[in-house]
Amino acid sequence: GAGVSQSPRYKVAKRGQDVALRCDPISGHVSLFWYQQALGQGPEFLTYFQNEAQLDKSGLPSDRFFAERPEGSVSTLKIQRTQQEDSAVYLCASSGTGSPLHFGNGTRLTVT
Amino acid sequence: DAKTTQPPSMDCAEGRAANLPCNHSTISGNEYVYWYRQIHSQGPQYIIHGLKNNETNEMASLIITEDRKSSTLILPHATLRDTAVYYCIVRVDYTGANSKLTFGKGITLSVRP
Repeated sequence: GAGVSQSPRYKVAKRGQDVALRCDPISGHVSLFWYQQALGQGPEFLTYFQNEAQLDKSGLPSDRFFAERPEGSVSTLKIQRTQQEDSAVYLCASSGTGSPLHFGNGTRLTVT
Repeated sequence: DAKTTQPPSMDCAEGRAANLPCNHSTISGNEYVYWYRQIHSQGPQYIIHGLKNNETNEMASLIITEDRKSSTLILPHATLRDTAVYYCIVRVDYTGANSKLTFGKGITLSVRP
């Protein structure tokens, strides 16, 4: 596809459940970013991949959050034992060398 | 990265120019000014960026003051579909991990019919 694709678009989880959010970046884009956006706030950086290497995970809020990109393309953000404060929109972005970041439309996670 | 200051909201009439201000008084010489917008229920969308010269593309114009301490994003003929949150971001054009964007709260533009 032409843009960054994220799935599912919406996810409802009961507190304590594990969830996995998928990101398909633009083909050929080396860099991949995950952001978290709470209601009414700007996106907050979570983690960054260059190809398959996770070079920055300084924004991950706790060890319940885990991201991977094993083949340097598709990425998965996993949240274990979800809590209500994890409710947010999770955005994925990719970029090629020297190009602006291109964002997907996000996954809205609601933890009940 | 330098911080930016934007008013929380503004509105304009459909068909008129929308001028969105941004202050970045602590910008460094090698930092670019980027603008993104986020329409409701969508991800942020790249609009334009510049270093010191004014820039124009099919979406907007970016006017950067000579001292680079502020800039204005201009949407020349606003439409209802331009209603969105607009983010002004400054960053060095690194590659790799340092190419991440740091978002503030942005400015909510409401275009009225």
